[in-house]
Amino acid sequence: GQQLNQSPQSMFIQEGEDVSMNCTSSSIFNTWLWYKQDPGEGPVLLIALYKAGELTSNGRLTAQFGITRKDSFLNISASIPSDVGIYFCAGQARNAGNNRKLIWGLGTSLGVNP
Amino acid sequence: DGGITQSPKYLFRKEGQNVTLSCEQNLNHDAMYWYRQDPGQGLRLIYYSQIVNDFQKGDIAEGYSVSREKKESFPLTVTSAQKNPTAFYLCASSKGNSPLHFGNGTRLTVT
Repeated sequence: GQQLNQSPQSMFIQEGEDVSMNCTSSSIFNTWLWYKQDPGEGPVLLIALYKAGELTSNGRLTAQFGITRKDSFLNISASIPSDVGIYFCAGQARNAGNNRKLIWGLGTSLGVNP
Repeated sequence: DGGITQSPKYLFRKEGQNVTLSCEQNLNHDAMYWYRQDPGQGLRLIYYSQIVNDFQKGDIAEGYSVSREKKESFPLTVTSAQKNPTAFYLCASSKGNSPLHFGNGTRLTVT
């Protein structure tokens, strides 16, 4: 079946540092989504990507849809304590048709030392 | 404000009992989904419904049942047939193929 590899699994950084995480798939995707989940809450959509090469920002967050269509990156600049949480990528393969076919990464747990 | 409401936030049950988790949305979304989240396993799809009175099994439907009698509501029943019911359950909805919008989850503990 299709696999999504998300890395790193976890990271701890100092407040103010930039952080980068990525997801790679074994097959071509036509949609990449990035969500953030706070402890005990549901995931919240950060950025949605729909075109290869697309680079989209949301405040201090920037995500890119890889040219090969098999990867995506999320960067957070100038981290702050409220960035703490688990970041998930999710992708939908070409011709998948609907959200039922979303494939999820296992998440990157981010800790920020103030 | 529009959103998805899951209740209760925490639920405790004895083994062998069925339990129903509530999910209500006022976003006018057609599609609704139930996911299960376990540590280190990401999100796994249990059931989904694209329209009222219709629903489909996801990847891990065994031991679960759902109904979709109203557009706004998609309750999930965890039956005694589910071998490992303790988990964090997330309900989501979407309009067409737009990204999923999640509720804040119900943590079920079965002892």
